[in-house]
Amino acid sequence: DTEVTQTPKHLVMGMTNKKSLKCEQHMGHRAMYWYKQKAKKPPELMFVYSYEKLSINESVPSRFSPECPNSSLLNLHLHALQPEDSALYLCASSQGAGRYGYTFGSGTRLTVV
Amino acid sequence: AQTVTQSQPEMSVQEAETVTLSCTYDTSESDYYLFWYKQPPSRQMILVIRQEAYKQQNATENRFSVNFQKAAKSFSLKISDSQLGDAAMYFCAYRGSFSGAGSYQLTFGKGTKLSVIP
Repeated sequence: DTEVTQTPKHLVMGMTNKKSLKCEQHMGHRAMYWYKQKAKKPPELMFVYSYEKLSINESVPSRFSPECPNSSLLNLHLHALQPEDSALYLCASSQGAGRYGYTFGSGTRLTVV
Repeated sequence: AQTVTQSQPEMSVQEAETVTLSCTYDTSESDYYLFWYKQPPSRQMILVIRQEAYKQQNATENRFSVNFQKAAKSFSLKISDSQLGDAAMYFCAYRGSFSGAGSYQLTFGKGTKLSVIP
């Protein structure tokens, strides 16, 4: 299995909702990442987990809450989002710290209404 | 801080022709890694090719090759025999070789949108 699987593919949520994005990989990668990508822009790093521990938090607002339950799963819990949080959320994983490249999922397209 | 510059927001190429996408970067490091990623409308970022800075030989993957000029801090991507499926956004990315939490970070350029004309 050489894929990173993200669910759901599309999500529409209200500003008072709570939802979660899920990411799964079975490549034995021990680093996992959340990126946010706005239209026609490059991805922006949000969080990095290394060996299930949060390694990097790029000053992301607390309405985004990451969780890494085990080495294969990465969740992003969403609460009280704003319309400007609408974006494509990409999950990625890497062997080690990414010297050989990252494997990305196909993303969750999030719309906040 | 490292920066990555892609000076061509959009490019087009005729099917079966060759196109070169440019990328320059700024760094004070001597050892690092460079990548080209492709993002088609399906949204998934796909690794196209990877170059290690300490290797002078240019990386090649089938129809994709790079021209890595370390002194000039240039890392261009050449696509030969372009196919319709090559149409996508292409991102150049830099990763340093330092250890610690910062080593996980990829710095992306702003991307080049490639269109392939039948």
